[in-house]
Amino acid sequence: ETGVTQTPRHLVMGMTNKKSLKCEQHLGHNAMYWYKQSAKKPLELMFVYNFKEQTENNSVPSRFSPECPNSSHLFLHLHTLQPEDSALYLCASSPKGPTSGNDEQFFGPGTRLTVL
Amino acid sequence: GENVEQHPSTLSVQEGDSAVIKCTYSDSASNYFPWYKQELGKRPQLIIDIRSNVGEKKDQRIAVTLNKTAKHFSLHITETQPEDSAVYFCAPNKFYFGSGTKLNVKP
Repeated sequence: ETGVTQTPRHLVMGMTNKKSLKCEQHLGHNAMYWYKQSAKKPLELMFVYNFKEQTENNSVPSRFSPECPNSSHLFLHLHTLQPEDSALYLCASSPKGPTSGNDEQFFGPGTRLTVL
Repeated sequence: GENVEQHPSTLSVQEGDSAVIKCTYSDSASNYFPWYKQELGKRPQLIIDIRSNVGEKKDQRIAVTLNKTAKHFSLHITETQPEDSAVYFCAPNKFYFGSGTKLNVKP
């Protein structure tokens, strides 16, 4: 698959588990994003990374921990989640980064997370 | 994040009719106005965008109009088809999206 890929596509975890979501972009983009999509909030920004540096944390609880080792990979580490964290987690990338102001976002297929 | 509002939240039209979705925003510094389409079970994808130095842009059956003074822009879909059924999002400030509009086109 080209473009933006995410693994796993589906994940079921208990509240005491630790898991990680992975995102990879093959587009040579500078910025990467994590979004949470649920029925309550259709597309809620979580984190923004520009050239591997975190530039935005939209008041996300510490049980979500992002990691960006390089501009092509983005992880979301999960621990001690709650059932209300069940949602579709979407990763996106954009060519120029958040400072450009006019930057199309390319989304991955998402990870459907269920917390029991 | 910025205050972004979309209206209506749901819209049902008959095939062949037109559909209009409006997005209002608060940040006067916004200069890029995209619309994304998300079909059921699929990822959001850009369908049309406009820069702040342009008032209108058209691409076949879809168009976007911008009123920077009033801080709103709209998506227009003409001659709607069942495959236009999806959720549409605006994103007037980089990465803060509107709440979405679910469009249903009835055959």
